Amino acid sequence: GESVGLHLPTLSVQEGDNSIINCAYSNSASDYFIWYKQESGKGPQFIIDIRSNMDKRQGQRVTVLLNKTVKHLSLQIAATQPGDSAVYFCAENLPPSGGGADGLTFGKGTHLIIQP
Amino acid sequence: GAVVSQHPSWVICKSGTSVKIECRSLDFQATTMFWYRQFPKQSLMLMATSNEGSKATYEQGVEKDKFLINHASLTLSTLTVTSAHPEDSSFYICSARNPGLAGGALDEQFFGPGTRLTVL
Repeated sequence: GESVGLHLPTLSVQEGDNSIINCAYSNSASDYFIWYKQESGKGPQFIIDIRSNMDKRQGQRVTVLLNKTVKHLSLQIAATQPGDSAVYFCAENLPPSGGGADGLTFGKGTHLIIQP
Repeated sequence: GAVVSQHPSWVICKSGTSVKIECRSLDFQATTMFWYRQFPKQSLMLMATSNEGSKATYEQGVEKDKFLINHASLTLSTLTVTSAHPEDSSFYICSARNPGLAGGALDEQFFGPGTRLTVL
């Protein structure tokens, strides 16, 4: 079954406020996590990533937090803008086994809606 | 950056026909590419891992004889949906790893824009 899930399918936020999108993962062996943004009809766009040896990583207006104890991942978007409206997916990557590369396991996705 | 393209961006075909989708890494070489499928309002599901010069590795439940993958060069992988049926209608997305990207994560995948397949 799917090992990565999200708590909220839809998140509505006022423009200018901060957004927090959450994700739970079930595979404790995953060592790499990524947040993607997907606009309608387009492929996923990389936002930020974090390795399992870290608990926080910051980018431009975005921060990813990783809590390995409870297997929880979150994406914080500061000063949300209309252009942030999209579906956001978390994804996890297991370490490759047998020397082969593995694909990503995606969460269900959260639709972020920005209200003016 | 690393750019991945897909062709065609959309395709409509009759039931029973075969459709080929191309995935290209434009400015880097990718020994490994991945194919995902996404149904409306759902997440991406990994279908298979495409390895240059060797057979693809399929995820459980994905029919390898129906979804033919060929990774003949370091910049091109193709997915052929054979004898397509309406239930194969979906958004097919490929991704590629760029292990040579300076400063980039070795595991980082770059996604193509996707191909919308509609089978009538």
